[in-house]
Amino acid sequence: GAVVSQHPSRVICKSGTSVKIECRSLDFQATTMFWYRQFPKQSLMLMATSNEGSKATYEQGVEKDKFLINHASLTLSTLTVTSAHPEDSSFYICSASPRWGTGGSLGYGYTFGSGTRLTVV
Amino acid sequence: GDSVTQMEGPVTLSEEAFLTINCTYTATGYPSLFWYVQYPGEGLQLLLKATKADDKGSNKGFEATYRKETTSFHLEKGSVQVSDSAVYFCALRGGSNYKLTFGKGTLLTVNP
Repeated sequence: GAVVSQHPSRVICKSGTSVKIECRSLDFQATTMFWYRQFPKQSLMLMATSNEGSKATYEQGVEKDKFLINHASLTLSTLTVTSAHPEDSSFYICSASPRWGTGGSLGYGYTFGSGTRLTVV
Repeated sequence: GDSVTQMEGPVTLSEEAFLTINCTYTATGYPSLFWYVQYPGEGLQLLLKATKADDKGSNKGFEATYRKETTSFHLEKGSVQVSDSAVYFCALRGGSNYKLTFGKGTLLTVNP
């Protein structure tokens, strides 16, 4: 089945530093990847959509300069939280959508990574 | 815009009880509908899906039927287990874009 690997699963960083989160599709090519943020006991908030080889599309209210997204290949997208502050502490989850013609039974579904718990101290 | 309204939780049941989590949606066109499950500290896993009206998605004893006339996609399971304890999200993908729109999630706790 389709697998999306997200790394790291947990990270603690100091305020003012930057943190990079990786999202890899292991057995399919991901034309599109999505980055979500989830607050405690709440739903997922879509932050941005990244397409391989082009600039990410950010949702309204999401700071592009704070949350840098790079989708350099069909199997890797990264989210960098720059100059992190305690209010950036959250659970970040990526998901991937396959390139048309690959990914087997994914159909219209998406595969999610296991998430990254970011704590900024 | 697209939206998903999901039954508010938390829901607490005893093992072997019947489960229903209501989900209704608003969307233009013909969306695909999904139920995702999130276990504590983990990402989301696709539980089941339906891509057109009257389709029934099913997996691990869970079922949901795509009802266009009532714009609903209620999740049901006849006999829940303790291992079903998790947060359940209803979601839709609109016909004209690739984004998923999620409901707020319903926390299910099943007691032995």
